[in-house]
Amino acid sequence: DARVTQTPRDKVTEMGQEVTMRCQPILGHNTVFWYRQTMMQGLELLAYFRNRAPLDDSGMPKDRFSAEMPDATLATLKIQPSEPRDSAVYFCASGLVLGASGSKQFFGPGTRLTVL
Amino acid sequence: QQPVQSPQAVILREGEDAVINCSSSKALYSVHWYRQKHGEAPVFLMILLKGGEQKGHDKISASFNEKKQQSSLYLTASQLSYSGTYFCGTEDFDGGSQGNLIFGKGTKLSVKP
Repeated sequence: DARVTQTPRDKVTEMGQEVTMRCQPILGHNTVFWYRQTMMQGLELLAYFRNRAPLDDSGMPKDRFSAEMPDATLATLKIQPSEPRDSAVYFCASGLVLGASGSKQFFGPGTRLTVL
Repeated sequence: QQPVQSPQAVILREGEDAVINCSSSKALYSVHWYRQKHGEAPVFLMILLKGGEQKGHDKISASFNEKKQQSSLYLTASQLSYSGTYFCGTEDFDGGSQGNLIFGKGTKLSVKP
């Protein structure tokens, strides 16, 4: 049963530290998404990739966040430096877009980030 | 533009029905529905494409009125397992699927015995 995997599952860090979250999308999927979920804002799209190319990262604070896909099996989201307001659950999702047929997204289990 | 979901929360007794609505101010290509249980990741329920089709998944079905830019999720004879937060995600690219969704704030559904 193919699944999206994310590491770490939980991360507690201090303000100012660098945080790197990793995601392994489902093999064969051509789109990867990073979301942030908080009680106040709900599910926010931070960035997404198609065939490893970044298509949109307008939802991301550019000065501290960066997202990359160094290869088809790994997507990373980095925060440097981290701030308490970055505390949230970060989800990675992958999907397969095939022309006009639409695509469903499969979510990973999430990384719960706490910045003290 | 974030779609608007209503109601924000609903409490049901087992066996009762519920409707969750999702409205957008933009023309939509597709609407997706997800359910998230507490502490877990959102799980895909169904996708509705332009064409006004209605889909079903067990006793959960949905409709999509593209003219009104609205979708509704229907939960029939609710079960305890239906409890969770339901999100609609909308895709507004008209040239075909891009895959990226804007999610509503969610509707929290609680089913009591």
